[in-house]
Amino acid sequence: RKEVEQDPGPFNVPEGATVAFNCTYSNSASQSFFWYRQDCRKEPKLLMSVYSSGNEDGRFTAQLNRASQYISLLIRDSKLSDSATYLCVVNMMDSSYKLIFGSGTRLLVRP
Amino acid sequence: EAQVTQNPRYLITVTGKKLTVTCSQNMNHEYMSWYRQDPGLGLRQIYYSMNVEVTDKGDVPEGYKVSRKEKRNFPLILESPSPNQTSLYFCASSSSYGTGELFFGEGSRLTVL
Repeated sequence: RKEVEQDPGPFNVPEGATVAFNCTYSNSASQSFFWYRQDCRKEPKLLMSVYSSGNEDGRFTAQLNRASQYISLLIRDSKLSDSATYLCVVNMMDSSYKLIFGSGTRLLVRP
Repeated sequence: EAQVTQNPRYLITVTGKKLTVTCSQNMNHEYMSWYRQDPGLGLRQIYYSMNVEVTDKGDVPEGYKVSRKEKRNFPLILESPSPNQTSLYFCASSSSYGTGELFFGEGSRLTVL
């Protein structure tokens, strides 16, 4: 089982739709969680951190469910510019200092 | 402008010909790391460095070397490249590993024939 798993998609949605992605992680000791966005052939960029209490930034909402070991990303009122791959990232905060990246979920927003 | 700079951005080489991919950051970050990205496998860590002269292996270190003689630079060395090292490589840096933002370079696409 992969340490961080994501549905690769693609999620194909019309403009204005609400779309949600989940990401599951295998290690219950994981402490920090992030969503990164990666445009085609570009470098990943931090979208938002995921806190225990949830995190909202405009149209984007991230939530953490420790009991079920998953994080989610909700995008409301999708824009064409939201089309990208969304990477789930988990850090165990142990001596290994490793950030584990999911393979990403691809989102396509159509006109 | 705060940035992580990698060179070269694109390279085609042949098996066994040593190459170095440079990485430099201007943000005075202590933490730096190298990743490779392959379809379906996501980003996998090759090596990381917590500070000058402090480096450690990531998940896929075989066939790679790194050095951290200066805080700003973290070159990735392929002593004898092989075709299975054909990949997209990213260098990244952070001021506070694990809790802070990871800044990535634009990537280096390497093809080994």
